[in-house]
Amino acid sequence: DARVTQTPRHKVTEMGQEVTMRCQPILGHNTVFWYRQTMMQGLELLAYFRNRAPLDDSGMPKDRFSAEMPDATLATLKIQPSEPRDSAVYFCASGLGWETQYFGPGTRLLVL
Amino acid sequence: KQEVTQIPAALSVPEGENLVLNCSFTDSAIYNLQWFRQDPGKGLTSLLLIQSSQREQTSGRLNASLDKSSGRSTLYIAASQPGDSATYLCAVLETSGSRLTFGEGTQLTVNP
Repeated sequence: DARVTQTPRHKVTEMGQEVTMRCQPILGHNTVFWYRQTMMQGLELLAYFRNRAPLDDSGMPKDRFSAEMPDATLATLKIQPSEPRDSAVYFCASGLGWETQYFGPGTRLLVL
Repeated sequence: KQEVTQIPAALSVPEGENLVLNCSFTDSAIYNLQWFRQDPGKGLTSLLLIQSSQREQTSGRLNASLDKSSGRSTLYIAASQPGDSATYLCAVLETSGSRLTFGEGTQLTVNP
């Protein structure tokens, strides 16, 4: 049963620290999405990649967030420096396009 | 900018009841609309996808309708069960195919 995996599942850190979240997409999927979910803003698209190339990262605060796909089996989302307002659940999803998105379980981030 | 609204925000019903969840969107230039389910602490699972040219889609006890001209979609759940308890989100994909906008979800509780 293929599924998207995300690590870590939970992260507690102090303001100013670097946070790296990892995602392993489903083998064969060429599109990877990063979302953030909060009570206030709901689910927001941060960035997405197709064939490892970034297509849209307009949803990310450029000064502190970065997203990469070093290879087809790994996507990373990095926050440096982290701030309390970054506390949220971060989801990775993979698919063959917008219509078929399989979501990972999420990384629950708390920045103190 | 596309805005997606879901009403009600929360719903509690007794087991066996038929129910309707509502989703409205401001820009009718959509490519498709999806309904997702999210269980507590989990990622999203796609339930139904309706293309802009379609009026409805059915899967088991679920039926989703789309009225693009009025900017509305409904998710009908027949004979609800406690296992249906979850948050249901709708999302629209814009015609350009470059952005998926989510509603804030309806939290459904089905009481035994």
